[in-house]
Formats: sequence, C-alpha cells, structure tokens
Amino acid sequence: KNEVEQSPQNLTAQEGEFITINCSYSVGISALHWLQQHPGGGIVSLFMLSSGKKKHGRLIATINIQEKHSSLHITASHPRDSAVYICAVTYSNYQLIWGAGTKLIIKP
Amino acid sequence: DGGITQSPKYLFRKEGQNVTLSCEQNLNHDAMYWYRQDPGQGLRLIYYSQIVNDFQKGDIAEGYSVSREKKESFPLTVTSAQKNPTAFYLCASSTAGFANYGYTFGSGTRLTVV
Repeated sequence: KNEVEQSPQNLTAQEGEFITINCSYSVGISALHWLQQHPGGGIVSLFMLSSGKKKHGRLIATINIQEKHSSLHITASHPRDSAVYICAVTYSNYQLIWGAGTKLIIKP
Repeated sequence: DGGITQSPKYLFRKEGQNVTLSCEQNLNHDAMYWYRQDPGQGLRLIYYSQIVNDFQKGDIAEGYSVSREKKESFPLTVTSAQKNPTAFYLCASSTAGFANYGYTFGSGTRLTVV
C-alpha cells in the first residue's frame, strides 16, 4: 500500500477555475513537499511544509499534521498550470516517499 | 545560475550494454540522489550519496552502480544486469539534513532500450 495517496489522479478544468489537489499520508513526517513536473519531465519544487500554510503567487499549500493531510490550491488557473503535481513526504533524513502524482489539464 | 545538469536528455541503448547517465550540480550541495520514474508510478530511489566517496543503496539499486568522486558529480551506470532499464531517470541534490531543506532536480534523462 502506497504510504502517500493523492487525489484526484486526473483533473481537467476550465481556465479560471479554482483547483484543489489532495494528499494524504499514513506515517508521521518531518516535512511534506509539493512538486510540479512538466511534460518534458523536469521537476520543480513548489513548497516544503511542516505546518500551517504557504503561498506563492497563485499557489497555496496547506497541511494538517493531526489529520495527516495536505492540499495544494491553484487560484485563477491558467493553461500554463497544466502539469503533473506530486506530493512527497519525508519522515527521516534522505527517506522521501512519493505520491503517484495528479495530472492537471487546464483548458482555455 | 546554480542548478543541476543531466545529460543526455534522451538515450538509446542496445540490450546487454552498460550506459552511464551524467549528473552535475554547482549548488555546493552535499547530498545527491538518483530516482527512477515509470509511467503512472511515483519516483523510486535508486542510490543516494550524502558525502564524497560515500553512497548508499535505495529501494531499487539492483542493476545500477554509482560513484561520488567529486562533490559536484554523481554519475549513474545502468548495467546489463538491470532487467527493465527503460525509464525516466531523475537526479536531485540537497543540502545535508534533508528534512530541513528542499530538493533541486535535474531535467531528467529518458532511457530507452532497443
């Protein structure tokens, strides 16, 4: 059983919609990461969270440690946001557990 | 600008041949990692290195080898012993004490065995 579960697996939305991607994990963690992978394959780190909420531009990431749950939100979505969004957690140094990713498509 | 350079972007290999994937970083990061990604699956750790001249096996090290002779470089060799080497390979680096710092990723190498 994957220790990091993401939902939905695929998401298609219209430009401008508010997007939410969810991540649940089953073990105690030291940090949770949200990453973005574009079709070419390169990965960009978006956020690293251990508590609370972080915001960068139109992206917002939240984490609830008690519920072992995190969400990534995109406001005013745009076609250039189309990518795979990956959640990953660390529970000790150098041990990174990855979710399978959420494929997001934003239609103009 | 600092970053990680992976080369080549696409690589084709004949069955039975060894091939080496390059990963270079100029971020002065202590730790470097190699991940494998298969369609529809999360990334899986092949090898990691926390310091020069030292490296550790990850979850799927069989059929792979690495070296860490310089801080900036962490090449991965896919040997003929790897039964299913066709995959996307990502290199990453971080400062030591990963739990407190984020990763930087390379752009990846897509390896196809023909």
